Amino acid sequence: SYVLTQTPSVSVAPGKTARITCGGDKFGSKSVHWFQQRPGQAPVLVISYDSDRPSGIPERFSGSNSGNTATLTISRVEAGDEADYYCQVWHSGRDEAVFGGGTKLTVL
Amino acid sequence: QVTLKESSPALLKPTQTLTLTCTFSGFSLSTSGMSVSWIRQPPGKALEWLALVDWEDDKYYTTSLKTRLTISRDTSKNQVVLTMANMDPVDTATYYCARSAPNLRGTFDYWGQGTLVTVSS
Repeated sequence: SYVLTQTPSVSVAPGKTARITCGGDKFGSKSVHWFQQRPGQAPVLVISYDSDRPSGIPERFSGSNSGNTATLTISRVEAGDEADYYCQVWHSGRDEAVFGGGTKLTVL
Repeated sequence: QVTLKESSPALLKPTQTLTLTCTFSGFSLSTSGMSVSWIRQPPGKALEWLALVDWEDDKYYTTSLKTRLTISRDTSKNQVVLTMANMDPVDTATYYCARSAPNLRGTFDYWGQGTLVTVSS
């Protein structure tokens, strides 16, 4: 099965920049999407197609995808950004969606 | 306004069949490019995509659970139903339904609140 690998946890001080990575084989051929999930809530799409920001998502959230690694960058981190973040792709060869294992972002 | 809401029994016994219903509003599953998926999340664990039905009534399933899953739609009722056979305690999870819009195919822009399903004897 296709595997997306995320670092389990990232810690960052308020006001600093958090970078959350997602690794997968042949990433360059796939679009990567990112979700934020706060405790007890449903996931929210924060980045689509590697770097597009849906309406209502702050400009502090940005994404990139190069080689075998996609990165979600959160600038000027706030306490409210503390959440689990998941990357996701659609594996067209298998016709199924795949999620990464998630990264817990802790704001110090 | 797009909304999705899941409904299901809260508790099942092992070997029983789970029936999940997603009732949605604010969009039509007959619109070209539209689809609805089911995604689950065991307590404290990651998200897992399960199945999708699209505007053409094409259906897709995760390989690992394909033999246990059946997804269907009722466009007149704005509902998508997922059945999962032979439930086991490891299937205890919050089950979400989520929409994929035509301009966001391959990902999920609106989610339901989720429904917790516990499997226990």
